[in-house]
Amino acid sequence: AQKVTQAQTEISVVEKEDVTLDCVYETRDTTYYLFWYKQPPSGELVFLIRRNSFDEQNEISGRYSWNFQKSTSSFNFTITASQVVDSAVYFCALSSGSSNTGKLIFGQGTTLQVKP
Amino acid sequence: NAGVTQTPKFRVLKTGQSMTLLCAQDMNHEYMYWYRQDPGMGLRLIHYSVGEGTTAKGEVPDGYNVSRLKKQNFLLGLESAAPSQTSVYFCASSYSYSTLTEAFFGQGTRLTVV
Repeated sequence: AQKVTQAQTEISVVEKEDVTLDCVYETRDTTYYLFWYKQPPSGELVFLIRRNSFDEQNEISGRYSWNFQKSTSSFNFTITASQVVDSAVYFCALSSGSSNTGKLIFGQGTTLQVKP
Repeated sequence: NAGVTQTPKFRVLKTGQSMTLLCAQDMNHEYMYWYRQDPGMGLRLIHYSVGEGTTAKGEVPDGYNVSRLKKQNFLLGLESAAPSQTSVYFCASSYSYSTLTEAFFGQGTRLTVV
């Protein structure tokens, strides 16, 4: 079975704090893709990052960084020096299978509130 | 370049009524999807299509039908709406050649069934 778990339902931090959003996934496939999406209060889904199962390099993009660890089946997302504009719901998602149809399995989402 | 466009943005239906949600993409993507988003449950796949003329069931297909007569359009139909279908519906499209790209999402349709 394929599954994505985001155990943190809601996180509240004060501006400039660092925050890590956890994502744990389950799949038996050796080829898979992991994604993070941001859903701001306006409701649209904004793509943040894609990682395939053969690339375990961590990635940094400005204040955002991602830690992919196959050994623990985790793909965690860290925001450094958080800002009020980071307030949103963040979704981790998994796409796997040899047929590669791009179907996404989403976690439940983590609501991040950054207070000024 | 509009990306993925959903019509309508909002709709209120009475139980038993029918309606069709339209999704259009202008990126020449092969794959298209319909998801629903409910509080605390993330997004769940309703139906998807891997090309013109093809459709397949996702995780929660009951009560919905889809059609993909043209590559750029993916329609989601509710034949007899039920209050349990109150949700936010998202259409998405993606492309896969040597590697899977990210899915591009529409802005969502907020549907209320009373």
